[in-house]
Order: sequence, then structure tokens, then C-alpha cells
Amino acid sequence: AQTVTQSQPEMSVQEAETVTLSCTYDTSESDYYLFWYKQPPSRQMILVIRQEAYKQQNATENRFSVNFQKAAKSFSLKISDSQLGDAAMYFCAYRSAIPPTGAGSYQLTFGKGTKLSVIP
Amino acid sequence: DTEVTQTPKHLVMGMTNKKSLKCEQHMGHRAMYWYKQKAKKPPELMFVYSYEKLSINESVPSRFSPECPNSSLLNLHLHALQPEDSALYLCASSQGTGPQMYEQYFGPGTRLTVT
Repeated sequence: AQTVTQSQPEMSVQEAETVTLSCTYDTSESDYYLFWYKQPPSRQMILVIRQEAYKQQNATENRFSVNFQKAAKSFSLKISDSQLGDAAMYFCAYRSAIPPTGAGSYQLTFGKGTKLSVIP
Repeated sequence: DTEVTQTPKHLVMGMTNKKSLKCEQHMGHRAMYWYKQKAKKPPELMFVYSYEKLSINESVPSRFSPECPNSSLLNLHLHALQPEDSALYLCASSQGTGPQMYEQYFGPGTRLTVT
């Protein structure tokens, strides 16, 4: 079974600064997908960024970018020019791309989350 | 339109009540999910519907009963719940459940309190 570890339960960053959230995962599979989801307080969970394991190029979405190190099984999220609206719980998630056995359906495996605070 | 809607936003129910949570999406997605999320924890998968058929039931107690009337709607029927069932219930949808990178879109959730 795959596991996802987010070792930083809480982090803070000054507005306009850069912060990196860490995520490591454990898998024996070679083909999979990785995601970062953001869940602001009392608001909807939204997808921030996604990465296909077979792509070496790191994904980027505006101020959000990842550092994907497949051999190290690491998938960190960098937020540049942090804004107050970035304050949220961030979840790293893993999804297999290999057909599951039994009744599996390519479920998301989430890390425990990192709570990010942005200081004005 | 990339929206998943859920009703009600908040629900308070007694342990003997019967209530239902509703979820709707109009993105043409063929997979829908129910998750349970406790405070400061990640979502826990409860059920997965793929093409309107239940494909995953993560050993959820029978007091939770899912229903998928059509490809756009997902219900969660609640009966004889326990206080520990109080949580945020999230609905999500995706294009499918195959090996492609089908990202899940989440609804805002229903905050359930069982008294």
C-alpha cells in the first residue's frame, strides 16, 4: 500500500515571501500521479497542482510550482510571493496509474496535511 | 462549469433521525465519491460510484447508505447515527476512475452534527 507523509503539521510565511511544503511518499509502482490540494478554512478543497510521474519536468501553475524527485520519492510544493489568500490546509495526494486488484478504483491517498499561515 | 454542489451546508440531527445529504455535478463526470473528514484530518474515502454503480465501499457502517439516482446526482442516506459520525462530509467527482489522471473536484461539504 502507498503512504504519503507530510512532515510539517504547521508552517508560516510572511506575505510576499516564498515557502516550501514537503511531501514524501512510499510506493513500489512506477506509474502514478501526485497532487497538491488546498483547503481554506470553511471553504472548498481545490486542486492546486498535479504531476505525472513519467514526466521529468516539474509542474508549474502561476505562483505554485513543485520539485518532483522521483528517485527520492519527494514532491514538495513551492509557493512564491505568498498572499493572504494562500492561508489554508494543504494536502499532498497520491493516485496510482496501475489497474487495481479487486474492486479498487485508483483511490487518492492523502497525507495528513500542512496548515499554512500567512503573516501580513 | 467546474462545480460540485452539496446540500445542506449544515445539518444537525438526533441519533434516531433519518436524513439525506445531496450532491450534484453537471460536468458530465462518470465517477462520484463520498468522503468523511474530521477536523484537521485528511478526507477518508467512504464510497465510490462509477457509471452509477457502487464500486467501492470502504467498510462503512450500514447506517450510511449511498445512492446514485443518475450520473449527476449522489445521495447519502443517514439513519441512527452516532455522535462520532459528526464530521464534514465531502462529495467529489471525476471524469472516470481509470488509469488516466482523473483529478477529483470537491464540493464544499455538509457539516454534520449528531446530537
